Amino acid sequence: AQTVTQSQPEMSVQEAETVTLSCTYDTSESDYYLFWYKQPPSRQMILVIRQEAYKQQNATENRFSVNFQKAAKSFSLKISDSQLGDAAMYFCAYRSWEGNTGKLIFGQGTTLQVKP
Amino acid sequence: GAGVSQSPSNKVTEKGKDVELRCDPISGHTALYWYRQSLGQGLEFLIYFQGNSAPDKSGLPSDRFSAERTGGSVSTLTIQRTQQEDSAVYLCASSLVSNEKLFFGSGTQLSVL
Repeated sequence: AQTVTQSQPEMSVQEAETVTLSCTYDTSESDYYLFWYKQPPSRQMILVIRQEAYKQQNATENRFSVNFQKAAKSFSLKISDSQLGDAAMYFCAYRSWEGNTGKLIFGQGTTLQVKP
Repeated sequence: GAGVSQSPSNKVTEKGKDVELRCDPISGHTALYWYRQSLGQGLEFLIYFQGNSAPDKSGLPSDRFSAERTGGSVSTLTIQRTQQEDSAVYLCASSLVSNEKLFFGSGTQLSVL
């Protein structure tokens, strides 16, 4: 069975600085998807970024980028030029390539505080 | 509707009572998912619907939990004889088809006293 681990329960960053959130996962599959989701106090999960395991190039979305290390099974999220609106809980998630359920397996989450 | 709608937003119930949680997915979305988020924890998969059928219900924690979906649209998650450990946020998500982008609702906060 696949597992996702986020070892940082809480992180803080100064506004305009850069922060990196860590995620590791365990799988025997060779093809899969990885995601980072943001959950603000409204509770609604928002997709931040997605990475296909077969792609060597790291995904980027504006101020958000990932460092995907397939051999190490590591998938960290870098937030550049942090803004107050980035404060939220961040979840790393895994989805199998095979099968068609689309089921996501989530890590425990990291609460990010942004200091003005 | 414009997004995934869940009701009620908050539900307080007494131990032993039954509760029903409702999810209204985005119109036209065939795939629907229920997740549970306990305090300070990640999301735990409960059940997946494709249309009205549930090919994966492996995450339902006990036979007190059941879910149905009718008309390929609205889904109801029912918890019978609620226990205090059932207290959590129950999130619903839908996608056009499985393996496509998930859109989440804002969840139902269930508190069992």
